[in-house]
Amino acid sequence: DTGVSQDPRHKITKRGQNVTFRCDPISEHNRLYWYRQTLGQGPEFLTYFQNEAQLEKSRLLSDRFSAERPKGSFSTLEIQRTEQGDSAMYLCASSSGLAGGRDIQYFGAGTRLSVL
Amino acid sequence: KQEVTQIPAALSVPEGENLVLNCSFTDSAIYNLQWFRQDPGKGLTSLLLIQSSQREQTSGRLNASLDKSSGRSTLYIAASQPGDSATYLCAVRAYSNDYKLSFGAGTTVTVRA
Repeated sequence: DTGVSQDPRHKITKRGQNVTFRCDPISEHNRLYWYRQTLGQGPEFLTYFQNEAQLEKSRLLSDRFSAERPKGSFSTLEIQRTEQGDSAMYLCASSSGLAGGRDIQYFGAGTRLSVL
Repeated sequence: KQEVTQIPAALSVPEGENLVLNCSFTDSAIYNLQWFRQDPGKGLTSLLLIQSSQREQTSGRLNASLDKSSGRSTLYIAASQPGDSATYLCAVRAYSNDYKLSFGAGTTVTVRA
């Protein structure tokens, strides 16, 4: 395991459909993050897990979005009833949770969602 | 709320020239600042992390400085190459929200051969 893996890399869906993305973090990392990035912007935080516990959710995460991390391993992000405004790159990151300022977040290649 | 700004938004230089990328942030109460590289349509690659107690970090041709009191960081890339063409993003981890990174919009660099 050399890095954070995300699947699928690309997803095209029709408005109103549900989609689910998967993230496999670096194996020894207990922290997992989801971010969303739109064209020309930096990533924006969506949610964060420490082991299996979801500890924080951004107000960007409407009730159509749900994320899970069963058993503190991989994570899934589901979007229900997709809208065109959901089109973006969804990035997953993980970190080991080092104390102080030494914690580095490592990012996956992302899942690009296009809602038609 | 932490605001992160990167200026300029885009930069084009001839090969061999040194690059200077700027990042500013509004809340100086940070744990660290990370610089990332992003190629088109790809994820983020971490380049350098500077802890709040540090003034600079170096890796090969890259050098990043941090002036926490003025809310500024600068990434220097020496002797640029066409392979350095990418978008460079800075992100800060604040005390107030220590679980997340707040990103700038990035500087898109083009190095002309």
